[in-house]
Amino acid sequence: KAGVTQTPRYLIKTRGQQVTLSCSPISGHRSVSWYQQTPGQGLQFLFEYFSETQRNKGNFPGRFSGRQFSNSRSEMNVSTLELGDSALYLCASRAGQAISGANVLTFGAGSRLTVL
Amino acid sequence: AQSVTQPDIHITVSEGASLELRCNYSYGATPYLFWYVQSPGQGLQLLLKYFSGDTLVQGIKGFEAEFKRSQSSFNLRKPSVHWSDAAEYFCAVGFTGGGNKLTFGTGTQLKVEL
Repeated sequence: KAGVTQTPRYLIKTRGQQVTLSCSPISGHRSVSWYQQTPGQGLQFLFEYFSETQRNKGNFPGRFSGRQFSNSRSEMNVSTLELGDSALYLCASRAGQAISGANVLTFGAGSRLTVL
Repeated sequence: AQSVTQPDIHITVSEGASLELRCNYSYGATPYLFWYVQSPGQGLQLLLKYFSGDTLVQGIKGFEAEFKRSQSSFNLRKPSVHWSDAAEYFCAVGFTGGGNKLTFGTGTQLKVEL
């Protein structure tokens, strides 16, 4: 069973540009979440999607957005990039909507974004 | 709001020695607790989890953790560390109704001396 796949793995952008990151969850998983990891702020929750609907959102500015498609694949977009957006963006998926002992998050390897 | 504290930023142990990584959380009710490990350039791999029941939980790679409600702790242990255990370890807490929103600690970087 393939794991969570994130593309691209690495990318470099300049300030003011926008970026789109993609996440393909484990087959059969309908819940997808995004996290940002930086040395200064650590791991922070961005948002969560289930059945194409945003279910939960973290404390990030409106420049950060996401969506989920009918095949459960998800994308996140960051507009008007700032230097502080440089981070590892991690996608995670799980099968159902409700968290349980048998239904935990599986993370992808991440997309490393560098903003110059 | 819930919070997680990992008081040790770096820990160095010799191969074969025992290991304990500390994790304290702040949350009003019984949380869901997790330990994840991250190797350089990689995502997070789940080591073990606690939802309910037996407070001593076994995970992968020989790790275990004990939930102590009275101390609000969920420390990770391994009786004998291997060089391949060198990585960063994260404790995380979730809660009923929180969905996928986990709160992570700042991580503990483990170095293993041969």
